[in-house]
Formats: sequence, structure tokens, C-alpha cells
Amino acid sequence: DTAVSQTPKYLVTQMGNDKSIKCEQNLGHDTMYWYKQDSKKFLKIMFSYNNKELIINETVPNRFSPKSPDKAHLNLHINSLELGDSAVYFCASSQDSGRAQHFGDGTRLSIL
Amino acid sequence: SQQGEEDPQALSIQEGENATMNCSYKTSINNLQWYRQNSGRGLVHLILIRSNEREKHSGRLRVTLDTSKKSSSLLITASRAADTASYFCATDFYGNNRLAFGKGNQVVVIP
Repeated sequence: DTAVSQTPKYLVTQMGNDKSIKCEQNLGHDTMYWYKQDSKKFLKIMFSYNNKELIINETVPNRFSPKSPDKAHLNLHINSLELGDSAVYFCASSQDSGRAQHFGDGTRLSIL
Repeated sequence: SQQGEEDPQALSIQEGENATMNCSYKTSINNLQWYRQNSGRGLVHLILIRSNEREKHSGRLRVTLDTSKKSSSLLITASRAADTASYFCATDFYGNNRLAFGKGNQVVVIP
């Protein structure tokens, strides 16, 4: 029944490693997003895909690479993890632009 | 980039009281949205109000939008302990769902 699901929920890893976070939505939405929420709860958009096509790419280091194999999935791969990457990463989806977004429960990434 | 800014940042009230939060923004918007985030969870959409609307209701929630003052307010009436959460406003000012979130309001409802 989960509308937007992310895995893993927790990710603890060492600096320099490469990791991926997966996201799937079963709402039939066309648009998916990745957000980063820092320790002060500030939420900032990173990427947005519409029907597998990249439409928003904020100023994010190119160590972050999103991949959308189909419109129900948007994965985030991060290379060479740094301490500053520690945050909660949220996936979200919406039907169209200008509509409500549905969020997953987040992936808590901790870099040692 | 534009961000919604909520005011006040933290609010503690007794159950049954009303809670009001304000949000200001800087440029013209397509719509403004309010979200709730419970501890350790994702954001949940509450209300979307378009730039040509002035007020919207949803259950115990009332949102107003004043585009001349570039501000919005969220009122929660007859608060409950379950309303304890962080509340965020987000502005969609490009009309392509590039939401800019404010810093959030922590609301604690004391039973």
C-alpha cells in the first residue's frame, strides 16, 4: 500500500564509498523528485524527472547521479561520499506540475 | 533562490487551542503549499492554494494567501496532541513544481 517507498531507510557508510538509494512510487505519477534535508530540517530540491526525462537539476555535485529506468522509479547514486553528504534524502512524486507532492519516509545517510 | 519563511519557528500550545503559522515569500508564485512532517517521517501534503485564491479550508485547517503582502497563514483549530509536528510552507514560483521550502515551524501540542 505504500505510495512512495525508499530503500534503504538507514545507510551508514564510510567516506569515499559509493552508495545508491532506490525509490519507487505506485501512484502512477509522471514526475519524481529527490530532496536533501539537512540537520536543521532545511529541505532543498536536487533533481526532478518527468516521464524518465531530467527536468530539474539543481546545483548538485556531479558525484550525485539520478537514474530513472521507468516513470515509477527514480534511483540516486552517490560516488565518493563525503562527510557533508550526511543528511536525510527524500524521494517524492506528483501527477503534474503545480500539484501536491507525495513523499517517501526518507533515507538517513550517515558518513563516518 | 526564493524560499518561504515561516514565522514563528517554534510554537507550544495546549490541546484544544488554535495554532497559527505565517509564511512569507519574495517573488510572484504559481501556488503555495503547506506540508506536515512528523518526527522521522516524510512530508505529508496538507493544502495547496493557488495564486488566484485567498482562502482554503480542509477539516480543521484554514490557509489564507495574500499575494499583495506575499504571505500566507496556516491555522489549525482545536489542536490535538497528534498535530505535534513540523509544518513547512513551500512556494511553486516557476509553475513547474520546483518547490522552495521554508525552514519549518515546530509545533508542540501539550495534552
